[in-house]
Amino acid sequence: EVVMTQSPATLSVSPGERATLSCRASQSVSSNLAWYQQKPGQAPRLLIYGASTRATGIPARFSGSGSGTEFTLTISSLQSEDSAIYYCQQYNNWPLNLFGQGTKLEIK
Amino acid sequence: QLHLQEPGPGLVKPSETLSLTCKVSGDSISNSSYYWGWIRQPPGKGLEWIGSIFYGGTTYYNPSLKSRVTLSVDTSTNQFSLNLSSVTATDTAVYYCARHMRIMAPKWFDSWGQGTLVTVSS
Repeated sequence: EVVMTQSPATLSVSPGERATLSCRASQSVSSNLAWYQQKPGQAPRLLIYGASTRATGIPARFSGSGSGTEFTLTISSLQSEDSAIYYCQQYNNWPLNLFGQGTKLEIK
Repeated sequence: QLHLQEPGPGLVKPSETLSLTCKVSGDSISNSSYYWGWIRQPPGKGLEWIGSIFYGGTTYYNPSLKSRVTLSVDTSTNQFSLNLSSVTATDTAVYYCARHMRIMAPKWFDSWGQGTLVTVSS
């Protein structure tokens, strides 16, 4: 079973700055990783798939990188609307399709 | 535009079966590019995938829930359903239905319903 670990649990960043969120897999998931954004009271929204491909309509300030076991979601030039919980999800190892525990991003 | 809606019962008694149906509009549930999945989120906690189904009937289940989960699809009404049996308080969660990208196997969830809170309590 692949375990997905996200860090940090909470991140506080000022508007206009860059946020870097990490997701680590306990074994290689190749580039089979997605990122989601979830705002309070809302369903998650797909941001990134294939580790680095932005989903339709996602602003360019969101970027993903990594492969194997180490992945990063970078949000450049943070805006207040980016305050949310961010989840990673691996889809390399089936039948289990696991999410990380999430990183809460706070805008100072 | 794709829209998924999963109205729920709100309250289910312990030991009973939780039943949810996701109504899909804006896409055909027979679209071979997708599975259709269920994910849940206990209050204040993270996301847990429950299972996904292809219109032809192929299913993938979370092994931790497999013994209690049944998924089905109805192409005539363009909807798919979840049955979770023998529920306990730990099954209290917001339940989401979602479209699950298929490239040979299920991949990422590209569109989600708004979710429905199901509380298990007597």
